[in-house]
Amino acid sequence: RKEVEQDPGPFNVPEGATVAFNCTYSNSASQSFFWYRQDCRKEPKLLMSVYSSGNEDGRFTAQLNRASQYISLLIRDSKLSDSATYLCVVNMGGSEKLVFGKGTKLTVNP
Amino acid sequence: NAGVMQNPRHLVRRRGQEARLRCSPMKGHSHVYWYRQLPEEGLKFMVYLQKENIIDESGMPKERFSAEFPKEGPSILRIQQVVRGDSAAYFCASQEGTNEQFFGPGTRLTVL
Repeated sequence: RKEVEQDPGPFNVPEGATVAFNCTYSNSASQSFFWYRQDCRKEPKLLMSVYSSGNEDGRFTAQLNRASQYISLLIRDSKLSDSATYLCVVNMGGSEKLVFGKGTKLTVNP
Repeated sequence: NAGVMQNPRHLVRRRGQEARLRCSPMKGHSHVYWYRQLPEEGLKFMVYLQKENIIDESGMPKERFSAEFPKEGPSILRIQQVVRGDSAAYFCASQEGTNEQFFGPGTRLTVL
């Protein structure tokens, strides 16, 4: 089983749609969780950290379920500029190295 | 405050040559991580360094790859005798404490 698994995608949605990404992780000792965004041929950039209580940043909502080892990202009212690959990322602790999922590509169409 | 800098941005090597990738962390950051992204794949951790020390090299291939982060100057990822399978984007990230890792723009290595 892969350490971090994501929806394979790709997702193609119209502007204004709500889209949800799911992710599971295998190591129950994982300590920190993140969603990163990566534009084509660019570096990953932190979108938001994910907390057990759930957290929201504008149109973006992230949820963590430690019991199920499941992480989600919800994007509401999607914009053309949301088109990117979304990476589910887990920090196992210890050396602070990040473990990345393969990413889910989102295309928002006009 | 400049971000993480990597150079070169693009590097072309022939099989058997050496590749040297450089990473200058953000000012005040003493932790450097190297990740590799193969085409159509996710980023994979390679090595974690602090000044003059390798902390975790569990993701480094056993042969041909080495990394350093000297007291002065940038971190260097060195690949000897490159092969076509080494073609990838190599990203460096820097961090201070347990805060966010900031990524550099990457070096795209192409091996002919």
